[in-house]
Amino acid sequence: GAGVSQTPSNKVTEKGKYVELRCDPISGHTALYWYRQSLGQGPEFLIYFQGTGAADDSGLPNDRFFAVRPEGSVSTLKIQRTERGDSAVYLCASSLAPQETQYFGPGTRLLVL
Amino acid sequence: AQSVTQPDIHITVSEGASLELRCNYSYGATPYLFWYVQSPGQGLQLLLKYFSGDTLVQGIKGFEAEFKRSQSSFNLRKPSVHWSDAAEYFCAVAGPSGGYNKLIFGAGTRLAVHP
Repeated sequence: GAGVSQTPSNKVTEKGKYVELRCDPISGHTALYWYRQSLGQGPEFLIYFQGTGAADDSGLPNDRFFAVRPEGSVSTLKIQRTERGDSAVYLCASSLAPQETQYFGPGTRLLVL
Repeated sequence: AQSVTQPDIHITVSEGASLELRCNYSYGATPYLFWYVQSPGQGLQLLLKYFSGDTLVQGIKGFEAEFKRSQSSFNLRKPSVHWSDAAEYFCAVAGPSGGYNKLIFGAGTRLAVHP
């Protein structure tokens, strides 16, 4: 079946702008995760959803970052007042249930000019 | 704090040679352990995982890994490397301190394969 999909695949924006990144998890997966991967680094955890609620948002770097999953399926990561340091690949993953194997999407490459 | 160390940033091997990628972790208890592979333009793909039980874990694509509690290590091995194995490999942990749903990744090891 279809895997995790993320849109857009690439996003270029200017410093100070607002961006939204979308994640479509595997159908039926109740848990959804966001990670950020900077150049030359491993992915870093941002937030985890179980259903519609954020069960762990301890990785969000500051209040410019926010994520939602209103219907327990698609999730949107929102970044306000983007900064050049936000440039990275944003990865989404989903799992059938909490603590199950996480399946990753191809990522959205964000470049803030 | 929990952490994962992959000491080798870059490794080059010849096709057909054996491979071992190192991973050490710092954790207060035995965590869940994972190896993922990332090819250019591709998402992270799970190679194998260890939760409990047999410390030698078999994965996809002919990979295996061994959990050694005394050394806090989870090294990835393959007896004969194929050119298609060239990619970046990430070791990750999850566990009670940080939450089993939060994967903590190492910085990765980039593998190049010479024909």
